[in-house]
Amino acid sequence: ELKVEQNPLFLSMQEGKNYTIYCNYSTTSDRLYWYRQDPGKSLESLFVLLSNGAVKQEGRLMASLDTKARLSTLHITAAVHDLSATYFCAVDSTSYDKVIFGPGTSLSVIP
Amino acid sequence: DAGVIQSPRHEVTEMGQEVTLRCKPISGHDYLFWYRQTMMRGLELLIYFNNNVPIDDSGMPEDRFSAKMPNASFSTLKIQPSEPRDSAVYFCASSQRLAGVSKAFFGPGTRLTVL
Repeated sequence: ELKVEQNPLFLSMQEGKNYTIYCNYSTTSDRLYWYRQDPGKSLESLFVLLSNGAVKQEGRLMASLDTKARLSTLHITAAVHDLSATYFCAVDSTSYDKVIFGPGTSLSVIP
Repeated sequence: DAGVIQSPRHEVTEMGQEVTLRCKPISGHDYLFWYRQTMMRGLELLIYFNNNVPIDDSGMPEDRFSAKMPNASFSTLKIQPSEPRDSAVYFCASSQRLAGVSKAFFGPGTRLTVL
């Protein structure tokens, strides 16, 4: 069974601080997606990671993928309040031919 | 493109009633997904279609739920009879698998409340 885990599930951090969200998955995959969901809103695609070692950055967010470790990270640099949202990783498995979402990490950035 | 369109955006109904949720995917996308999101269970994949054909419905909770995709531009998710525990936000998403990549675009969701 394909399992996707995220750590932490809840994160409260002060503005200006750095932090990393982790996404672990249980099956072979070289495609992973990160999504953002604002409260009461739909999901919006952030990053598409397509191979081992892939790194994507946009603004204060940087995502990376290590397919050998079955791990992706979403690093937040100098957090600002606007980053408060829930972040989902999603694993694209050819074995299962479907995309499975993690439970999400609810991030609150406190002034 | 207007993105994925879902209707209604909000639905309040009484237990036992039939509920039909509608989705129009992005034109040209060949995958369509139905998800359910609750606080308790997070985001759950209910069913997905490829080229209008249901591929995996293992996430459909029970026989009260059914989904159809009669053509490439329309899908429905029906709950009959509805129960209070079906209350959730239901998202439809579509994607196009190109070079092995399937980035999903989500609709705004339908917030369902069953009283």
